[in-house]
Amino acid sequence: QLQLQESGPRLVRPSETLSLTCSVSGGSVRSAFYWAWVRQPPGKGFEWIGTLHHGGDTYSNPSLKSRLLISVDTSKNEVSLKLNSATAADTALYYCARSTDVLTGFFLDYWGQGTQVTVSS
Amino acid sequence: FDLTQSPSLFVSPGQTATIPCSGERLGDRYTSWYQVKPGQSPVVVIYQDSKRPSGIPERFSGSSSGDIASLTIYGTQAMDEADYYCQAWDTNTGGVFGGGTKLTVL
Repeated sequence: QLQLQESGPRLVRPSETLSLTCSVSGGSVRSAFYWAWVRQPPGKGFEWIGTLHHGGDTYSNPSLKSRLLISVDTSKNEVSLKLNSATAADTALYYCARSTDVLTGFFLDYWGQGTQVTVSS
Repeated sequence: FDLTQSPSLFVSPGQTATIPCSGERLGDRYTSWYQVKPGQSPVVVIYQDSKRPSGIPERFSGSSSGDIASLTIYGTQAMDEADYYCQAWDTNTGGVFGGGTKLTVL
């Protein structure tokens, strides 16, 4: 059974970099699947952050693209997210998820439990 | 590209709940639907407009045409009370989510 576990600092200072890791178990990040990050600000709906494949195919939310770096580490079987110049607007519950490909609409079939990140001084 | 959902829907137990999601040319894209219960991670209940993952009850059904995709729950049960989000892919904006619909069963 595939399991995804997000981890990283719960508190980030404004202007610093928000960094998260998604550890994948029960499957390989080198599979045909893509990997995605999604976030949910308090009391709001979901916001797609980005989707990537270990082969290099990467898609990013245009509103975050200038601050965002998402990557896959095949040696550690992990997916990572770095969002620089963090602001209070980045405070959210962050999820890692497995994604299918474009032929099936990039839907998210497995999700991690999510990790809460607060941006505050 | 945006997806629009009504914020809330109320349905009586045993009745049919239909949750619409509107967006430009949704019928030409694949829509997926996610169920989110308090304190839990999202679960996909419909993908590729109308397909049900294994383990999702048959009472969950999806359809899409024109600018509207819909999630229909037949014989709604108390356990179906949750937030439901539609999602579709756009080549310019990526994986867009609707604002979510809170389904209340009472």
